[in-house]
Amino acid sequence: AQSVTQLGSHVSVSEGALVLLRCNYSSSVPPYLFWYVQYPNQGLQLLLKYTSAATLVKGINGFEAEFKKSETSFHLTKPSAHMSDAAEYFCAVSAFGGGSYIPTFGRGTSLIVHP
Amino acid sequence: SQTIHQWPATLVQPVGSPLSLECTVEGTSNPNLYWYRQAAGRGLQLLFYSVGIGQISSEVPQNLSASRPQDRQFILSSKKLLLSDSGFYLCAWSKRGGQNSGNTIYFGEGSWLTVV
Repeated sequence: AQSVTQLGSHVSVSEGALVLLRCNYSSSVPPYLFWYVQYPNQGLQLLLKYTSAATLVKGINGFEAEFKKSETSFHLTKPSAHMSDAAEYFCAVSAFGGGSYIPTFGRGTSLIVHP
Repeated sequence: SQTIHQWPATLVQPVGSPLSLECTVEGTSNPNLYWYRQAAGRGLQLLFYSVGIGQISSEVPQNLSASRPQDRQFILSSKKLLLSDSGFYLCAWSKRGGQNSGNTIYFGEGSWLTVV
């Protein structure tokens, strides 16, 4: 079985500040991990994906995430927040051998950026 | 490149009326197809997925149904809508055999359904 927990339904930062969105996963086999972004009234867009090639994954729009097996975490960061980063962010885990190839999504974290 | 389209973008329907949301994928063959629902303030709920024409798996029992009449076409339907069916519906696809690379899912633009 696989699951993902996103800590904090809302995260508020000032423009220019560090963005940190937390994601912890549970999987009985080595997982694939994803971060998606959803702007208002739009579908989800893939930000980045971890596939075991490298623990630090760089994505679009300056975001990156680090896979930490010992902490079962895949937190999303960006050094400097922009107003345009305000959106909903979803973490997802996919772990074959756990019975399903379909990713399991977290409940999402809303990122609020203040001027 | 692959693209996914779903329509209509917004829909306001009375309780008890039928529903049809349509989704098509271009630029790929034999995709896995998915319907998700996103209720206000909640995460994503997988409703249906399909690995081939006529092959539909239902994740949540409800008054919705899905069909896949063609390889790259996925339709979400209801005979009689309930107030609780309101939400944001997302169609998505992934590559067949994509599970070997993590099964990345790509989403459409979404359809807002308001049942009144």
